[in-house]
Amino acid sequence: SQQGEEDPQALSIQEGENATMNCSYKTSINNLQWYRQNSGRGLVHLILIRSNEREKHSGRLRVTLDTSKKSSSLLITASRAADTASYFCATDAATRKLVFGAGTILRVKS
Amino acid sequence: DTAVSQTPKYLVTQMGNDKSIKCEQNLGHDTMYWYKQDSKKFLKIMFSYNNKELIINETVPNRFSPKSPDKAHLNLHINSLELGDSAVYFCASSQEAGYYGYTFGSGTRLTVV
Repeated sequence: SQQGEEDPQALSIQEGENATMNCSYKTSINNLQWYRQNSGRGLVHLILIRSNEREKHSGRLRVTLDTSKKSSSLLITASRAADTASYFCATDAATRKLVFGAGTILRVKS
Repeated sequence: DTAVSQTPKYLVTQMGNDKSIKCEQNLGHDTMYWYKQDSKKFLKIMFSYNNKELIINETVPNRFSPKSPDKAHLNLHINSLELGDSAVYFCASSQEAGYYGYTFGSGTRLTVV
């Protein structure tokens, strides 16, 4: 079964707005990662947050992790049309593999 | 320079055929993976190799056989293809599994007719 559950399943916003995606998971983890997948393409690693970290930034991306609630969020600020993609969270639970959530489809309208 | 390259990009074949997908990474990573993405975009790990040694073999039919001739290559051979095998197969690699992000190939879209 999927480790991560993402919410919302789909999100449509206007260019310039912020987009927030949430991920919940079930077991203890070593780290949690976020990936982007453009239509018909492979996944691109965005950011990794370790279990002892609470927040991480990379450019317009901000990721938070709450291990007590087993949840994470990805915030994309000042979205652009080029941010249109599917976003996946993935967890590493010391099993030497990443387990992916179902993904959030983000559409940024220009 | 493509970091993780897969061939072919598209594969259309008839039921019952045998086919292979090849993957190569030039990142010097120790670990390589095969993932399957179904029509609903769910990604599921199939296999993982670390320095040519199989370390993860999920519940995959034994018609699927991975082969890693060296740590830069991981191929996937599929025997007796079935309609349900239609999916996008992704190869990925990482340095020191569990500590770093993965680099994915662009995928192989397999269609079994």
